Amino acid sequence: SQELEQSPQSLIVQEGKNLTINCTSSKTLYGLYWYKQKYGEGLIFLMMLQKGGEEKSHEKITAKLDEKKQQSSLHITASQPSHAGIYLCGAPPEGGKLIFGQGTELSVKP
Amino acid sequence: DTGVSQDPRHKITKRGQNVTFRCDPISEHNRLYWYRQTLGQGPEFLTYFQNEAQLEKSRLLSDRFSAERPKGSFSTLEIQRTEQGDSAMYLCASSHPYRTSNYGYTFGSGTRLTVV
Repeated sequence: SQELEQSPQSLIVQEGKNLTINCTSSKTLYGLYWYKQKYGEGLIFLMMLQKGGEEKSHEKITAKLDEKKQQSSLHITASQPSHAGIYLCGAPPEGGKLIFGQGTELSVKP
Repeated sequence: DTGVSQDPRHKITKRGQNVTFRCDPISEHNRLYWYRQTLGQGPEFLTYFQNEAQLEKSRLLSDRFSAERPKGSFSTLEIQRTEQGDSAMYLCASSHPYRTSNYGYTFGSGTRLTVV
């Protein structure tokens, strides 16, 4: 079965710094979703990447999909306290459901 | 439509009791998913429905767990004879088959279950 591994598991950055979160799949990626979660709450959809080489941006968050490496990266530019939370990558193996990585916990120090 | 609704938000129950959670998806979404999430982990897939048909169940879904979506609208997840290991956040999500690339799978706020 497909597994997603995220790195790092947790990250503390100073406000204004850039950061990158990686998501690596054990199998071919047929699309990759990025979500953000605040503690005790549901998941908020950030963006979805479908094709190798695709890159999407949402405000100061950019995500890329490297199909050959079976990997996606999420980059935050000039981090702010509002970026703090848990970032989750999800992929749809055959069958329609999403499976998720274990999450990356981001803290941004003012 | 205000999104995916889950009820209750929190549930505390004694070990051995039965509990039922409800999920109301976005009305035009024909797919509905249940996940379980424990602290420090990503959501684990439990089961999903397309309309009223339950298409897949994870092996995580033991005999004590049952889910229904009787008319293809809301869904319920029941846990019988709860155990302390069932303590977790239970998340529901829904999706439209042709809109996931732009809107993703829409999640509810979850039901936090504590078994004491």
